[in-house]
Amino acid sequence: NAGVTQTPKFQVLKTGQSMTLQCAQDMNHEYMSWYRQDPGMGLRLIHYSVGAGITDQGEVPNGYNVSRSTTEDFPLRLLSAAPSQTSVYFCASSYATGMNTEAFFGQGTRLTVV
Amino acid sequence: AQSVTQLDSHVSVSEGTPVLLRCNYSSSYSPSLFWYVQHPNKGLQLLLKYTSAATLVKGINGFEAEFKKSETSFHLTKPSAHMSDAAEYFCVVSLPGRRALTFGSGTRLQVQP
Repeated sequence: NAGVTQTPKFQVLKTGQSMTLQCAQDMNHEYMSWYRQDPGMGLRLIHYSVGAGITDQGEVPNGYNVSRSTTEDFPLRLLSAAPSQTSVYFCASSYATGMNTEAFFGQGTRLTVV
Repeated sequence: AQSVTQLDSHVSVSEGTPVLLRCNYSSSYSPSLFWYVQHPNKGLQLLLKYTSAATLVKGINGFEAEFKKSETSFHLTKPSAHMSDAAEYFCVVSLPGRRALTFGSGTRLQVQP
């Protein structure tokens, strides 16, 4: 069972570069989301999607774009990387019936911007 | 508005002694509450969840949590700590109609031999 798969696991970017973090799930979940994890701050929501073609901003969306063209995939784009975006990024998915159900997380992407 | 507060950033216990990780939430509605665990360099794993059924919730690896509405708390406990319990623990809240989770800041549990 693959669950939620994130790639890459590690990435180093130079300031100003762009890149896409990939996230795919094979559980047919409607809800997908991206979080960033910083020390002492828990996980903060960047963007989320309630289904293909529908996305919305979370708590810290600036500097990131998302799209949801299929149920399975939810890529996160960094438009112009900044050192403040150095973080660990997690993708999550959950069932369509709502948030009373468990969210499944990927293994994370550790991003360093220099 | 909803929020969740984990009262301790670090907790250190000896192996074989009880574990208590504290979590308080604020919400105008009946929330769903979760505890997740994150082992070093790993993703997050669900320990247990409360969704307005029994107030005492049992989870994996011997953990349990009690929902106390009057105290707006959802503390995580385990009778006897193991070395393998050393990890970071997150209390998480969700509201009906919301599409994402709100995380506490995390509690790092150390288990001393």
